[in-house]
Amino acid sequence: EAGVAQSPRYKIIEKRQSVAFWCNPISGHATLYWYQQILGQGPKLLIQFQNNGVVDDSQLPKDRFSAERLKGVDSTLKIQPAKLEDSAVYLCASSGGQGALHEQYFGPGTRLTVT
Amino acid sequence: GDSVTQMEGPVTLSEEAFLTINCTYTATGYPSLFWYVQYPGEGLQLLLKATKADDKGSNKGFEATYRKETTSFHLEKGSVQVSDSAVYFCALSEAGGTSYGKLTFGQGTILTVHP
Repeated sequence: EAGVAQSPRYKIIEKRQSVAFWCNPISGHATLYWYQQILGQGPKLLIQFQNNGVVDDSQLPKDRFSAERLKGVDSTLKIQPAKLEDSAVYLCASSGGQGALHEQYFGPGTRLTVT
Repeated sequence: GDSVTQMEGPVTLSEEAFLTINCTYTATGYPSLFWYVQYPGEGLQLLLKATKADDKGSNKGFEATYRKETTSFHLEKGSVQVSDSAVYFCALSEAGGTSYGKLTFGQGTILTVHP
């Protein structure tokens, strides 16, 4: 079974530029999560989708971050414009359903450096 | 809000030593508790979990017991190997309410095992 795929793996941009990350979840997984992991910290949830609907985006900085999952499968996360503090690893995860009992499977992450 | 606190600082051990990584949590409800592991160059993987008080999760020689009275979920292994070198994250997920399975992570503990 293929795991969660993410691209690119690494990205370096200058502040005020825009960037987009792509995630393809495990086939059949309805729930998709984007987490931000700043160096030395644990991952923090940015947004959660159930199929193509947003379930939780309470910690997404909506003035600069946006995410979509138009067909309920793959997803993109965009930052525009980027700030220095956005430097982090962006993790995508998927699960077969909502709730604590459904294991989340993580992709390898995209490491973003903003200079 | 929910939070997870892990013991500070990296842990360095010799092979076959006993491992304990402390984890305590704060939650409003009755969370499920998890340990995730991140090996060098790889994505986060679920190591073990416990879904209710007094449950013991175990996997690959690692164990952790859900202690509601002390709000703790300490990770232990009787004899570590060099291959256990990784970053370990304690996490929780509320079982109900509006959390929808969101994971709240601790800051992570770097484990290095020397031969």
